[in-house]
Amino acid sequence: SQKIEQNSEALNIQEGKTATLTCNYTNYSPAYLQWYRQDPGRGPVFLLLIRENEKEKRKERLKVTFDTTLKQSLFHITASQPADSATYLCAFGGYQKVTFGTGTKLQVIP
Amino acid sequence: EAQVTQNPRYLITVTGKKLTVTCSQNMNHEYMSWYRQDPGLGLRQIYYSMNVEVTDKGDVPEGYKVSRKEKRNFPLILESPSPNQTSLYFCASSHRGLYEQYFGPGTRLTVT
Repeated sequence: SQKIEQNSEALNIQEGKTATLTCNYTNYSPAYLQWYRQDPGRGPVFLLLIRENEKEKRKERLKVTFDTTLKQSLFHITASQPADSATYLCAFGGYQKVTFGTGTKLQVIP
Repeated sequence: EAQVTQNPRYLITVTGKKLTVTCSQNMNHEYMSWYRQDPGLGLRQIYYSMNVEVTDKGDVPEGYKVSRKEKRNFPLILESPSPNQTSLYFCASSHRGLYEQYFGPGTRLTVT
């Protein structure tokens, strides 16, 4: 069955550095991948969507890449800030079934 | 303000007592979906609806029912709740072709 994997271990990073989160998928060829941010006890908030024919997408300090050969998406936050601390979820699918990864918790240390 | 609302936000109930969690969106979105979130398992899709009167199963539909009689509303029904349905539930909606989902604030359900 189709599966998304994110590093379940928390990622701790120093303020100002670039955080890189990984999303791997198997048994699927998604037309696009989405990234969401989730704060404790709250619903996920959409950040970025990247399509299979796009190698890279940027929004302010955020950058997403999509490598269909490696079956992997990377999510980068440059110049990270303590306010970026949250859990980040990747997902594929969008208008029918949607599959989410379990998320990676990012902690930005001042 | 564009939003997805869910009610109730917190619910404690007993096994077998039928309950409904309501979900409403004011963005005229065609697509609506229900998820449950459990530690270590992440967000899992229960049911989704691509438009009024069109619903389909997600990955974990057992024990749940939904209906979509109006575009703005998508209630989740637990006919006979069991303790394994204790979870945090989220409703979400999106516009056709845009895919990004707007999530509600969540409903924390405990079944004893």
